[in-house]
Amino acid sequence: QKEVEQNSGPLSVPEGAIASLNCTYSDRGSQSFFWYRQYSGKSPELIMFIYSNGDKEDGRFTAQLNKASQYVSLLIRDSQPSDSATYLCAVGTSYDKVIFGPGTSLSVIP
Amino acid sequence: GAVVSQHPSRVICKSGTSVKIECRSLDFQATTMFWYRQFPKQSLMLMATSNEGSKATYEQGVEKDKFLINHASLTLSTLTVTSAHPEDSSFYICSAREERGAGETQYFGPGTRLLVL
Repeated sequence: QKEVEQNSGPLSVPEGAIASLNCTYSDRGSQSFFWYRQYSGKSPELIMFIYSNGDKEDGRFTAQLNKASQYVSLLIRDSQPSDSATYLCAVGTSYDKVIFGPGTSLSVIP
Repeated sequence: GAVVSQHPSRVICKSGTSVKIECRSLDFQATTMFWYRQFPKQSLMLMATSNEGSKATYEQGVEKDKFLINHASLTLSTLTVTSAHPEDSSFYICSAREERGAGETQYFGPGTRLLVL
């Protein structure tokens, strides 16, 4: 079992729709969770981090965490073509290492 | 968010030469920095964890004599690819860990694209 799993995609959504990105992790002791966005040929940039169960909203982005289910998601409202990128889920594990998922490719269709 | 710089952004070198890449945290101190490698259309691969004032911790399969890491200060880590070969051509990305309050966050540098001829 991989430590952090994501659907590779590509996930295609029409402009203006909600994009839903999912991530599961294996280490129950994980305490910190991050979403990064990576455009082709560029390095990842931090979008959000979440530490507590529930929802955390920042503009068009909402991160959702459920530690009991070992699941974290990212919702992007009113998706724009500029949101087209690969989204990386990262998990801060109990053994002091951040593990990245393989990423989900998102394509927002105008 | 915090700013991390990397230099150079792009380097082309001949096989057998050594290449040094610098990673700097510009507006915070980072006791821990990380070096990643990313091949086209693949995810990040952690190479090593760089700790200020001590030896780096390398991931399994990464040759420490090939990829020399020095973390001489709280704002600077360097990665030297020694005797580079074409298979070392890749996108090298560093990140710096900012520790604050409830947790910590990694911020990435812009990356260095290495091409070995």
